[in-house]
Amino acid sequence: DGGITQSPKYLFRKEGQNVTLSCEQNLNHDAMYWYRQDPGQGLRLIYYSQIVNDFQKGDIAEGYSVSREKKESFPLTVTSAQKNPTAFYLCASSIGLQETQYFGPGTRLLVL
Amino acid sequence: SQQGEEDPQALSIQEGENATMNCSYKTSINNLQWYRQNSGRGLVHLILIRSNEREKHSGRLRVTLDTSKKSSSLLITASRAADTASYFCATATGQGAQKLVFGQGTRLTINP
Repeated sequence: DGGITQSPKYLFRKEGQNVTLSCEQNLNHDAMYWYRQDPGQGLRLIYYSQIVNDFQKGDIAEGYSVSREKKESFPLTVTSAQKNPTAFYLCASSIGLQETQYFGPGTRLLVL
Repeated sequence: SQQGEEDPQALSIQEGENATMNCSYKTSINNLQWYRQNSGRGLVHLILIRSNEREKHSGRLRVTLDTSKKSSSLLITASRAADTASYFCATATGQGAQKLVFGQGTRLTINP
């Protein structure tokens, strides 16, 4: 099965803790993205990567970090500097920046 | 970096009726895409329409594009309860190195 997966489905973060959200795709896509979605709102771009070993900040990168060491993987770390991390996080991938994006099922992050 | 804006923000209709959602944008586009998001899930791509196209169909979906008015519409005919979801437009602009920009979405409710 080709697709994009995210894990875990739910994640709990304690105050001052860094947590990492996983995103994996086997679609052979070059571009990958991380979005944040707050209740009833649209998508806000956190980071994106056009190619392995390269990534760019999106509109709300502060308090987040990413890596792109492999084509298939684009993990997102929510650092302790992100003071309001509770949200639904969506990962996506595409052949190119302007082509159709394929989304994972999302990770819901909650703060304890 | 708001580009596409959907209208209305929310729409509630009876099952069997047609639903129309609109997306307006500000700068010239290369393509415009429509996505659906069921509650708590990732987005699913519906249709991509390029700047030189005026209309595209997919099953009960019809998308039109009017570049002179910088607007697009998504029509869902003979709506079903399963069509209840949020619908987002996304625009691709510039020379190809610019990423998609998503609008805030239209929340569609189909009443049985």
